[in-house]
Amino acid sequence: AQTVTQSQPEMSVQEAETVTLSCTYDTSESDYYLFWYKQPPSRQMILVIRQEAYKQQNATENRFSVNFQKAAKSFSLKISDSQLGDAAMYFCAYRSVAGAGSYQLTFGKGTKLSVIP
Amino acid sequence: NAGVMQNPRHLVRRRGQEARLRCSPMKGHSHVYWYRQLPEEGLKFMVYLQKENIIDESGMPKERFSAEFPKEGPSILRIQQVVRGDSAAYFCASSQETGLSGNTIYFGEGSWLTVV
Repeated sequence: AQTVTQSQPEMSVQEAETVTLSCTYDTSESDYYLFWYKQPPSRQMILVIRQEAYKQQNATENRFSVNFQKAAKSFSLKISDSQLGDAAMYFCAYRSVAGAGSYQLTFGKGTKLSVIP
Repeated sequence: NAGVMQNPRHLVRRRGQEARLRCSPMKGHSHVYWYRQLPEEGLKFMVYLQKENIIDESGMPKERFSAEFPKEGPSILRIQQVVRGDSAAYFCASSQETGLSGNTIYFGEGSWLTVV
C-alpha cells in the first residue's frame, strides 16, 4: 500500500515571499499521479496542481510549482509571491495509474499554511 | 472544481439517528467517490460507485454505513444509528473515468456531520 507523509504540520510565510511545502511518499509502482490539494477555511477541497510520474518536467500553475524527485520519492510544492488567500491546509495526494489504486487517492495529513501580512 | 453538489452542508444528528448525505456529480461524470475526513486528518477513501454499481467499498465500515448511486438521482451515503465517532466531514468526488486515463477527480464542498 502506498503512504504519503507530510512532515510539516504547520508553516508560515510572509506575504509576497516564497514558501515550500514538503511531501514524501512510498510506493513500488513506477507510474502514478501526484497532487496537491488546498483546503481553505471554507473546507472545500481545491485541486492546486497535478504531476504525472512519467513526466520529468515539473508541473507549474501560475504561482504554484512542484519539485518532483522521483528517485527520492519527494514531491514538494512551492508557492511564490504568497498571498493572504493562500492561507489554508495543503494536502499532498497519490493515485495509481491502474488497478484499485487508480480511483483511491491516498492523502497525507496536511500542512497548515499561515500567511503573515 | 465547480459542479459536484453535496447536501446538506451541515447536519446535526443525535446518537442513534440516521444520517443521509447526498451528492450530485459534475455534469458528464458517471463515477462517484466518497471520502471521510476526521478532525486534524487527511481524507480517507470510503467507497467508489458507478451508476447502480458499487465498485469498491473497501474503505467503508462494515456496519451501519451504506452507499448507493441509482440510475436516476444523486448518490446517497447513509449512516444508520450514528455514534459520536461518525462526526466528520464527508466529501463526495466525481470523475469521467477512473485513473486509467488520468482523469482528475473533483471534490464537492463536503457535508459536515455532527453527532450530539
